[in-house]
Amino acid sequence: ETGVTQTPRHLVMGMTNKKSLKCEQHLGHNAMYWYKQSAKKPLELMFVYSLEERVENNSVPSRFSPECPNSSHLFLHLHTLQPEDSALYLCASSQDIPSGRSSSYNEQFFGPGTRLTVL
Amino acid sequence: AQSVSQHNHHVILSEAASLELGCNYSYGGTVNLFWYVQYPGQHLQLLLKYFSGDPLVKGIKGFEAEFIKSKFSFNLRKPSVQWSDTAEYFCAVNARTGFQKLVFGTGTRLLVSP
Repeated sequence: ETGVTQTPRHLVMGMTNKKSLKCEQHLGHNAMYWYKQSAKKPLELMFVYSLEERVENNSVPSRFSPECPNSSHLFLHLHTLQPEDSALYLCASSQDIPSGRSSSYNEQFFGPGTRLTVL
Repeated sequence: AQSVSQHNHHVILSEAASLELGCNYSYGGTVNLFWYVQYPGQHLQLLLKYFSGDPLVKGIKGFEAEFIKSKFSFNLRKPSVQWSDTAEYFCAVNARTGFQKLVFGTGTRLLVSP
């Protein structure tokens, strides 16, 4: 396995369904991210986990619930979604360097995404 | 808060034409700069990055970008595009201080006609 993998690649669900998206990174990174990619909009950062702790939640509706059981796995649990939630959901990982080091950076590596359609 | 502007949403070029995609960011502190590319049906890939040093950065597939600090710009260039460069290009910035959240532009969709 290389890089960042995501399953499923495509998902169609009704508004009353509950489903989960899975992301796995094989790069030894310590930070993982969920992004939403919609047409004609910038990538929207949804959640960030660093060292398995959630460090950012960008005002995402509670119908999206992330879970990071360890540094290699990240889930996005979905329930009672709306049609406007249809989008490509991207997972990314990076090696987070603790703040305080002036030369810190985090190049992010992306998975292929899950194309979600909510009917 | 940081923000990134990509001026061109759609660009259409013929093969062998030169390419320049604009990217401007707003942030007063020190930043790292990235260009990512997303080929049709593929995932986002890093094209090139700037952290420090020479402001002219060379990336993969003949791409380069120049960081002009005074203009808050990081424009992407390629002297001669190929049909295989058809893709969507995203500029991204993260601040060096605090948590290093990556902020993306809206993307530029490039179509290269053979």
